[in-house]
Amino acid sequence: EDQVTQSPEALRLQEGESSSLNCSYTVSGLRGLFWYRQDPGKGPEFLFTLYSAGEEKEKERLKATLTKKESFLHITAPKPEDSATYLCAVQANDYKLSFGAGTTVTVRA
Amino acid sequence: DVKVTQSSRYLVKRTGEKVFLECVQDMDHENMFWYRQDPGLGLRLIYFSYDVKMKEKGDIPEGYSVSREKKERFSLILESASTNQTSMYLCASSSPGQGGFLAFFGQGTRLTVV
Repeated sequence: EDQVTQSPEALRLQEGESSSLNCSYTVSGLRGLFWYRQDPGKGPEFLFTLYSAGEEKEKERLKATLTKKESFLHITAPKPEDSATYLCAVQANDYKLSFGAGTTVTVRA
Repeated sequence: DVKVTQSSRYLVKRTGEKVFLECVQDMDHENMFWYRQDPGLGLRLIYFSYDVKMKEKGDIPEGYSVSREKKERFSLILESASTNQTSMYLCASSSPGQGGFLAFFGQGTRLTVV
């Protein structure tokens, strides 16, 4: 069974304090790893897709990396507007995404 | 932009009621999904559909059914609502990507069963 574990559960940062979120996964035949951002009371918003180990994607202050067992979401010099829950998901077959429980990031000014 | 629209943001229903959650997407996607999201459990797949009138069970289908009569519309039905179905319900649709698919989500329906 596919398993996705995100750590930490919660992360409190000072504005400008860089950090990383971890997503470790167990899946047979990874077809894609996805990062989403979710604001309170809203649906997840797509950030990145990674397909193979060594791949990296960047968007503003966010950078996602992928190895054979885990992915990291690096937040560089975060701002309060980066506060959100970040979800990781893996796709192992044609239709199903398996999600982690998420990491809730709070950035204080 | 892809748009996935869920008919209600908030719903309050009584135990035993039949509840319909509606979802419409405007990108001609083949695949549509219903998830529920609970604190500490992440998103769990209830049902999905890969074509009109086709449906497949996800990880937690008990107590739910679905209907897809048109490509753009996917409905989740709670046959007899119970308090343990109080949750955030998320609809998604997907398009094929490099070796996989990319899912877009609606804004969610927060359902409370009293």
